[in-house]
This record gives sequence, C-alpha cells and structure tokens, in this order.
Amino acid sequence: EAGVAQSPRYKIIEKRQSVAFWCNPISGHATLYWYQQILGQGPKLLIQFQNNGVVDDSQLPKDRFSAERLKGVDSTLKIQPAKLEDSAVYLCASSRGTVGYEQYFGPGTRLTVT
Amino acid sequence: GEDVEQSLFLSVREGDSSVINCTYTDSSSTYLYWYKQEPGAGLQLLTYIFSNMDMKQDQRLTVLLNKKDKHLSLRIADTQTGDSAIYFCAESYTGTASKLTFGTGTRLQVTL
Repeated sequence: EAGVAQSPRYKIIEKRQSVAFWCNPISGHATLYWYQQILGQGPKLLIQFQNNGVVDDSQLPKDRFSAERLKGVDSTLKIQPAKLEDSAVYLCASSRGTVGYEQYFGPGTRLTVT
Repeated sequence: GEDVEQSLFLSVREGDSSVINCTYTDSSSTYLYWYKQEPGAGLQLLTYIFSNMDMKQDQRLTVLLNKKDKHLSLRIADTQTGDSAIYFCAESYTGTASKLTFGTGTRLQVTL
C-alpha cells in the first residue's frame, strides 16, 4: 500500500509571502492530521480532520494558517503571510480512524522563511 | 496540562542495550507510543503500550511503563548502527480527538 504523500519536499520563501503544502493520505484513511515540527522539538498538532470535517484546530494560528480537506481525501495547508518563526517541517499523517488507530506519517515538507 | 519530557542525547556502543526514558504529566493518557525518526524522513511507529499495561516486548524492543511515576522507557537490545535516529515518546488519550503529544526527542548515537 502506498504511504502518505506530501509535496513539495522543500520550500524557501521570504517573510510575508504565502505558501501552500499538499498531502495525499493513504487510501481509505478517514482521519488526516497536520503537525508542525520546529527544529529540535517534537511535532505539534496543528489540525485534525475526520473525513472533510475539522475535529481539532485549537493550536492552528488561524490569523495566518488555513487548511482544507475537500471531498475528504487530499488536504492543503496554507500560510499567508509567513513569518520567520514558521520555519519548520510540516508533517502530514493519516489513520483509519481516531482513537486507537496508528497514525502513518509522510516525509514532511521543510519550510524555510527568510 | 500535557507535557512530555525526554533527555536530549544518548550514546551507546554497538551490541550494547540502549534505554531511552520519558516522563509525562497527563494522568488521563490512554496510549503511550515510541516513534523513530531518521534524517529527512517522517516518523515511524515502533511500538505502543496501553496505560493499563506494565510491560510490552516486541523482538529487540521492550517498553516499561510506571504509571505511578508517569515514567515510560524504551529498551533496545543489541543496538545496531541502523538504530541511530531520534526517538520520540508520545501520549494520547481517549476522546473525540486523538492528537498525539510528543516529547522533545532523544537522539541515539550508536558507535562502533
């Protein structure tokens, strides 16, 4: 079975620019997660979708970050405008369900904001 | 509140056992996990333990849970150079959401 796909793998932008990341979860996985991993830290959940509905976005900086999961499959995460502190690896994960199901992680997108 | 702590670095010789430790604060944690992250790669689930268990063994991996002290450890027997990576412990709890709260990660270096 194919894993979680993410693109691009690397992105460099200047502050105040906008950027979008794309995630294609494992086929059949209802739950999709976006995590932010700052260098030297563990991943932190930004948003969780169950099908195309948002379950938890309590740690998403909504003034600049947005995410959607149209049709309950692929998802995009957008940052507009980017700040220097947004430099991080953005990880997408998916699972068959919520509690008790293993989360499978993609390779991540490394964002550098200059 | 939720807080998961780990030591930052561990160095062991090839063939020795490695023990990576983790402490957590959320007493309502239901599942505790160990993930491995190699350079440039995503996170790989190694093993997990339910909060009502004390120990779980899976080939070279042994997980010990001390619920009273909120202490979790991962023992890797016969450590190999391929085990060099960052190891994260994580917790989650039963609820409508299932987010993982990760520790800061322990970098394991295996030397010859």
